[in-house]
Amino acid sequence: EAQVTQNPRYLITVTGKKLTVTCSQNMNHEYMSWYRQDPGLGLRQIYYSMNVEVTDKGDVPEGYKVSRKEKRNFPLILESPSPNQTSLYFCASSSATGEEKLFFGSGTQLSVL
Amino acid sequence: EDQVTQSPEALRLQEGESSSLNCSYTVSGLRGLFWYRQDPGKGPEFLFTLYSAGEEKEKERLKATLTKKESFLHITAPKPEDSATYLCAVTYRGSTLGRLYFGRGTQLTVWP
Repeated sequence: EAQVTQNPRYLITVTGKKLTVTCSQNMNHEYMSWYRQDPGLGLRQIYYSMNVEVTDKGDVPEGYKVSRKEKRNFPLILESPSPNQTSLYFCASSSATGEEKLFFGSGTQLSVL
Repeated sequence: EDQVTQSPEALRLQEGESSSLNCSYTVSGLRGLFWYRQDPGKGPEFLFTLYSAGEEKEKERLKATLTKKESFLHITAPKPEDSATYLCAVTYRGSTLGRLYFGRGTQLTVWP
């Protein structure tokens, strides 16, 4: 089954404790991206990747890191989380050809205390 | 300033009462406009892609249209299961492939 898998689904952490949210897709997609969704603000792009070792900033990259060492994986790293990074995070992937249709993961609800 | 503006923010319809959602964009050079549906607690689900003014796409009770300044998502005779948040997103010719801008969404509620 074609899917984007994010882990964990829920995460509670404390300020300053490094964490990684994993994202994996099984569709051989070139594009992968991370979004955060906050009430009243909608979906905002954090980082995106056009292919292995190629990444670029989105709307809100501050405080986040990404890496694309393999085509299927695109982890999101928060090296020193702060309470304003409490949010619902989505990973997405799409093919470089065709409709540019995004496939989203189920989301990670992060709370930073 | 938002690149993509959706209206209304929320819409309540009685079952069978047709209506339209709007998505307007501010920057010229549109490359593609996308509509997604999002149910509570889930990731957005793709509905349509539109590339040029005049283009229309349909799926069941939904029809998406595109002009040079905006897109409409028409909902004909909605049912309660159409209740969801509808998101619009755009990409521009001048920006890197993969760079996407979302609107804040329209929360649709259809009551029986």
